[in-house]
Amino acid sequence: GENVEQHPSTLSVQEGDSAVIKCTYSDSASNYFPWYKQELGKGPQLIIDIRSNVGEKKDQRIAVTLNKTAKHFSLHITETQPEDSAVYFCAASGSNFGNEKLTFGTGTRLTIIP
Amino acid sequence: GAVVSQHPSRVICKSGTSVKIECRSLDFQATTMFWYRQFPKKSLMLMATSNEGSKATYEQGVEKDKFLINHASLTLSTLTVTSAHPEDSSFYICSARDQGSTNEKLFFGSGTQLSVL
Repeated sequence: GENVEQHPSTLSVQEGDSAVIKCTYSDSASNYFPWYKQELGKGPQLIIDIRSNVGEKKDQRIAVTLNKTAKHFSLHITETQPEDSAVYFCAASGSNFGNEKLTFGTGTRLTIIP
Repeated sequence: GAVVSQHPSRVICKSGTSVKIECRSLDFQATTMFWYRQFPKKSLMLMATSNEGSKATYEQGVEKDKFLINHASLTLSTLTVTSAHPEDSSFYICSARDQGSTNEKLFFGSGTQLSVL
């Protein structure tokens, strides 16, 4: 099965600086990679996702890059703000539309220092 | 994005009782929903895949008689924790994918914090 590793487990960044979270996956058949933000006591919220036919995707201050050859993908948050503080999870799933399961990384607790 | 509603958000129950958690897709239909369990400061662990009109598919190590799943309609799945014990205390989260959409986006409910006394 798929195995997703995520680093770092905790990350503290000064407000205004950039934050980068990295994930690797094991199954070369995976081709969908979403990122979720989870605030305390709440469910995960989808913030950005990427498919394997694309190397990079950007949405305002958030971007995701994918290196399919190396089987790793990264989340980049620029101009960080206090409200970016949360736990972030990467995930990976299989090749077809439908009911494929997501395999989650272990999470990164991001703290933005004012 | 699509909205997944989960209730209750928090429940406290006595050991030995059963608790039902509801997961609804509010603005889309979902033939498949997923139930996760999350321990404090840990990742999400998939428990089972809920299939509308058929039996749920459980992950290895998850007791199907302990965690009963019913998916009776295209917008509702329920998870019942039967004869709950303190070790069942956890954060339970459901998710669903819009079957009418051509993308794989998975949306999550707000979670249910279960505390068994």
